[in-house]
Amino acid sequence: DVKVTQSSRYLVKRTGEKVFLECVQDMDHENMFWYRQDPGLGLRLIYFSYDVKMKEKGDIPEGYSVSREKKERFSLILESASTNQTSMYLCASTPDSGRAPRQFFGPGTRLTVL
Amino acid sequence: AQKITQTQPGMFVQEKEAVTLDCTYDTSDQSYGLFWYKQPSSGEMIFLIYQGSYDEQNATEGRYSLNFQKARKSANLVISASQLGDSAMYFCAMRERGNQFYFGTGTSLTVIP
Repeated sequence: DVKVTQSSRYLVKRTGEKVFLECVQDMDHENMFWYRQDPGLGLRLIYFSYDVKMKEKGDIPEGYSVSREKKERFSLILESASTNQTSMYLCASTPDSGRAPRQFFGPGTRLTVL
Repeated sequence: AQKITQTQPGMFVQEKEAVTLDCTYDTSDQSYGLFWYKQPSSGEMIFLIYQGSYDEQNATEGRYSLNFQKARKSANLVISASQLGDSAMYFCAMRERGNQFYFGTGTSLTVIP
């Protein structure tokens, strides 16, 4: 069964800390995505990557960076966490093509910044 | 302009009844895909159904069907015979060329016993 895993389901950090959220997929997908989800706002794209070492900004990249050194792993970094980054973070991956090229999602990380 | 619009923030349905969740989309691409996901309170995103823009027939998956009206740019999800476990957030999404995905703001469905 295909799988996207995220390093933590719940995370509590303090303001100013550097935070790493890890995402790993085992499906050899080219594309990987990081979203944040807030009530009433749906899923908003932070960054996506279409290949190793390649990345593109999404709708809300400010305060975040990403790293993709290996095809299966896509990391989201909060350089200096702030309280307004308290949110649900979802990672997803998708192949370039296929019959139903949908996104496969990880279980999500609920991040609280105090 | 919003790429995906879901106009129903919350919906209620009686158990065993059918319910339609609305979704309209905006694209100038000829080739695109439309998806519905379910998100229970646990937070996981569960894929429900897919419709390709060139598919002539409406997609169906068990109790889920997608009412695809291309000219109106709508892709409504129909859930038949609602169950208590259907209570969740439902998101409509679209994939355009270049691996761009867009999501609506979601509809919260509550199934009443």
